Amino acid sequence: GIQVEQSPPDLILQEGANSTLRCNFSDSVNNLQWFHQNPWGQLINLFYIPSGTKQNGRLSATTVATERYSLLYISSSQTTDSGVYFCAVDNQGGKLIFGQGTELSVKP
Amino acid sequence: DAGVIQSPRHEVTEMGQEVTLRCKPISGHNSLFWYRQTMMRGLELLIYFNNNVPIDDSGMPEDRFSAKMPNASFSTLKIQPSEPRDSAVYFCASSFNVADTQYFGPGTRLTVL
Repeated sequence: GIQVEQSPPDLILQEGANSTLRCNFSDSVNNLQWFHQNPWGQLINLFYIPSGTKQNGRLSATTVATERYSLLYISSSQTTDSGVYFCAVDNQGGKLIFGQGTELSVKP
Repeated sequence: DAGVIQSPRHEVTEMGQEVTLRCKPISGHNSLFWYRQTMMRGLELLIYFNNNVPIDDSGMPEDRFSAKMPNASFSTLKIQPSEPRDSAVYFCASSFNVADTQYFGPGTRLTVL
């Protein structure tokens, strides 16, 4: 099956800093989503982005499908950005495969 | 909209007991997914439904697990009998169609003693 690798596994930032999270996948996909799991465990969908670039406030994402990777950019990080960021992909029409996540900690 | 609703939020039970987790998807969504999250295995898809029909249950760990979706607004995940290794957070998610954006419920934290 398709493999999903996220990097880095852990990241510590000072408030206000920028960061880039990466997601590599082993096969072509027709569905790629980024999620944020906050410290209380809630999973929030950030982007549905099988290809191209999207922006939502301080967050943006780019997927280069031909090269099998996606990037999540966080600018001017805030303490509320802390948590785990997951990339999930699907190439079988509905079966999302999740990466192991990047755990982000933003210090005040 | 209230989002995806799951109950109970926490469940503590003893080994051998039956456990039933419940999910109400977002109104109008046609696809429903059950996931399990553990430290060791991360987030895994157990089963998903489209238009109330189970499409892929290959992630269901064993026959002790079963899931139903009797109508568009309700689904259950049952474990019988439960074992300590079933302890995990179980999430339900829904989407308009199978390959669309998925919206997760708050999860049920299950502890089997």
